[in-house]
Amino acid sequence: DTAVSQTPKYLVTQMGNDKSIKCEQNLGHDTMYWYKQDSKKFLKIMFSYNNKELIINETVPNRFSPKSPDKAHLNLHINSLELGDSAVYFCASRGGYNEQFFGPGTRLTVL
Amino acid sequence: ELKVEQNPLFLSMQEGKNYTIYCNYSTTSDRLYWYRQDPGKSLESLFVLLSNGAVKQEGRLMASLDTKARLSTLHITAAVHDLSATYFCAVDITGAQKLVFGQGTRLTINP
Repeated sequence: DTAVSQTPKYLVTQMGNDKSIKCEQNLGHDTMYWYKQDSKKFLKIMFSYNNKELIINETVPNRFSPKSPDKAHLNLHINSLELGDSAVYFCASRGGYNEQFFGPGTRLTVL
Repeated sequence: ELKVEQNPLFLSMQEGKNYTIYCNYSTTSDRLYWYRQDPGKSLESLFVLLSNGAVKQEGRLMASLDTKARLSTLHITAAVHDLSATYFCAVDITGAQKLVFGQGTRLTINP
């Protein structure tokens, strides 16, 4: 049983397109996150939702719009993709002691 | 703003040797986490350190936390090739419901 799952695993697209990444967790956690990991492996938080409510928005361009239909799902929609958006995007959920559990990642390549 | 710095960023070592990765952070926190990331994979939780003086061990890895010095260490004993990975520390910002990650330490263990 996968605890935190993401789809798709790979995403290759042209500049200017719009794309979405989906995330689901079956851990029963209330809080979920989106992180971006760049080519140097640096991991930076983008957004966090607690029980469908946005609680963290780390000055991410408004081309990025998260949506949480319920506390088990957190999706990320990206408009007008740019070259600099190429990265690996990780979804995570927060458990006890604030420990975070990460999904497998979505490698986004913008051409 | 909380800064988390790992040292070294790159480490190449031989099997059988011991070494330590350091994680310094710039503001008060009582919780620190260590993660492992294999190439192309997700982040796997290794240790959760919840208080000053906490020490946890799993196999050849041992992590400790000194909240007064704002320092955590990840010690590798008698390294084996399977431990080759990137190791991240992350610090919990009290009340902010988020983690701040270090830059990662890329560990390569040579036979």
